[in-house]
Amino acid sequence: EAQVTQNPRYLITVTGKKLTVTCSQNMNHEYMSWYRQDPGLGLRQIYYSMNVEVTDKGDVPEGYKVSRKEKRNFPLILESPSPNQTSLYFCASRARLAGELTDTQYFGPGTRLTVL
Amino acid sequence: DAKTTQPPSMDCAEGRAANLPCNHSTISGNEYVYWYRQIHSQGPQYIIHGLKNNETNEMASLIITEDRKSSTLILPHATLRDTAVYYCIVRRSAYNQGGKLIFGQGTELSVKP
Repeated sequence: EAQVTQNPRYLITVTGKKLTVTCSQNMNHEYMSWYRQDPGLGLRQIYYSMNVEVTDKGDVPEGYKVSRKEKRNFPLILESPSPNQTSLYFCASRARLAGELTDTQYFGPGTRLTVL
Repeated sequence: DAKTTQPPSMDCAEGRAANLPCNHSTISGNEYVYWYRQIHSQGPQYIIHGLKNNETNEMASLIITEDRKSSTLILPHATLRDTAVYYCIVRRSAYNQGGKLIFGQGTELSVKP
């Protein structure tokens, strides 16, 4: 089954304790992206990656890092989490057809992070 | 980008067709109409898109008026699992250059038993 998986699904942590949220897709998609969603603010893009070893900042990259060492994985790293990073996080991927990104973006199930 | 107007909320009885309207009177000739939905606390899900012809897939039908100033998403037999916020997006692409999905306000559809 084609899917995007994220782990963990729920995480409660404390300020300053480094954490990584993993994201993996089994569709051989080149494009992957991280979003956060907060009430009243909609979806905001954190980072995206057009291909292996190619990453770029989205709207709200501060406090986050990503890496794309292989096509299927795109982990989100919070080196020193703070309470304002408490949010619902989504990983997503899209296929490329004839050089163009397709219209269908596949989202993971979400990771609900609470930073105390 | 063309601005869209959707009702903030709608109810629908289970098993009946859900018709979700979207007004986009300033749409340009090269802009598509996309529909996505987001079930509570899940990732957004692509439903359908079209340029000027009506479109149908396994999830829904999209009816675009001849002048392209409005459209209707039809879920032919709504189920409780269709309860979600539905977003109408009118753009040349649903994504910006960085691949970010662009959402507006949406319609909260409640399917009731």
